[in-house]
Amino acid sequence: EAGVAQSPRYKIIEKRQSVAFWCNPISGHATLYWYQQILGQGPKLLIQFQNNGVVDDSQLPKDRFSAERLKGVDSTLKIQPAKLEDSAVYLCASRSTGYSGNTIYFGEGSWLTVV
Amino acid sequence: AQSVTQLDSHVSVSEGTPVLLRCNYSSSYSPSLFWYVQHPNKGLQLLLKYTSAATLVKGINGFEAEFKKSETSFHLTKPSAHMSDAAEYFCVVRSYSGGGADGLTFGKGTHLIIQP
Repeated sequence: EAGVAQSPRYKIIEKRQSVAFWCNPISGHATLYWYQQILGQGPKLLIQFQNNGVVDDSQLPKDRFSAERLKGVDSTLKIQPAKLEDSAVYLCASRSTGYSGNTIYFGEGSWLTVV
Repeated sequence: AQSVTQLDSHVSVSEGTPVLLRCNYSSSYSPSLFWYVQHPNKGLQLLLKYTSAATLVKGINGFEAEFKKSETSFHLTKPSAHMSDAAEYFCVVRSYSGGGADGLTFGKGTHLIIQP
């Protein structure tokens, strides 16, 4: 079974530029999450989708971050304009529904450096 | 709100000796608890999960954890450490906040160092 795919793996941008990260969840997984992991810290939830709808975006900095999952499959996370403090690993995760969907699977992450 | 506290930021053990990584949780209801491991420059891997079944949970690579409601703890153990166990370990609780929101809340992590 293929895992959660993310791209690009690494990105370096200057502050005030924009960047987009792409995620393709495990096939059939209706729930998708984006997490931000700053160096030395645990991941923090940014947004949760159920199919193509947003379930929780309470911790998403909406002035600069946006995310979409238009067809309920893959998702894009955008940052515009980027700040130095956005340097982090952006992790995508997914799970299926129902009891068997209790396990959340993570991708390897997209590493962002803002200079 | 649900939260977890990892009591040690760093743990150092010798190869072949037992490992204990401590985690306390806070939850207003029966929690779903997890331990994830993250090797350098790698993604997060699920070690084990507790979802209100058996209180002693066995995971991959010889790790296990015991859910103790009276102590609000979910400590991770392994009888004998291996060099390959060196990594960052996260204790995690699933947060249910209505409307289907069920994101994971991570602890700050424990860095496990294995001495040869």
